[in-house]
Amino acid sequence: QVKLVESGGGVVQPGGSLRLSCTASGFSFSAYAMHWVRQAPGKGLEWVAVISYDGDLKYYADSVKGRITISRDNSKNTLFLQVGRLKPGDTAMYYCARDRYQLPPATLGLDYWGQGALVTVSS
Amino acid sequence: DIVMTQSPLSLPVTPGKPASISCRSSQSLLHDNGYKYLDWYLQKPGQSPQLLIFLGSNRASGVPDRFSGSGSGTDFTLKISRVEAEDVGIYFCMQALQTPITFGQGTRLEI
Repeated sequence: QVKLVESGGGVVQPGGSLRLSCTASGFSFSAYAMHWVRQAPGKGLEWVAVISYDGDLKYYADSVKGRITISRDNSKNTLFLQVGRLKPGDTAMYYCARDRYQLPPATLGLDYWGQGALVTVSS
Repeated sequence: DIVMTQSPLSLPVTPGKPASISCRSSQSLLHDNGYKYLDWYLQKPGQSPQLLIFLGSNRASGVPDRFSGSGSGTDFTLKISRVEAEDVGIYFCMQALQTPITFGQGTRLEI
């Protein structure tokens, strides 16, 4: 079955950096675009970034542009999110999600989500 | 950016009764290809979001047929024909037409 497992979350000081990973299994990872979506405690969903199936196309939310890099290693079925210059406002659960389509910016629905990785930015 | 506005934000329901959630976008989500790029998600308590409806009216795999989606270019509706206890949670609409992808604020459905 399709499974997405995030890792790499934790407590980070303001100004620090973090790399989140999302390991995929149960499907052909290299055939799908992948997203990161975050959710601050008690808040709604905020889209963060998307990467095409082959890694060539990447799009970011304005709120994180310049501080975040999305990447993927199709040989290892793994998606990454590098987050730098962290702020308290980046505190959130970070979810990876599979797109039903290959090529952003169009998306046909995020049909599988991981359980999330919690990032807390605090001194 | 496309702004998504949901109503109501809280929806008390009775099991067995219908329920309806509205989602309005600040610009049309109708693509030149004829598809409406609007999805619906449900986040059950303590869980990750799950896809219910994509492209405005298409149920995702495994979604019960009591859920249906409809709408025009800017006004969309998610309907539950007969609410069940397992349907409680927060419902989000999401525009998928362009980046940045944006979500509605969420509608909390409670029994």
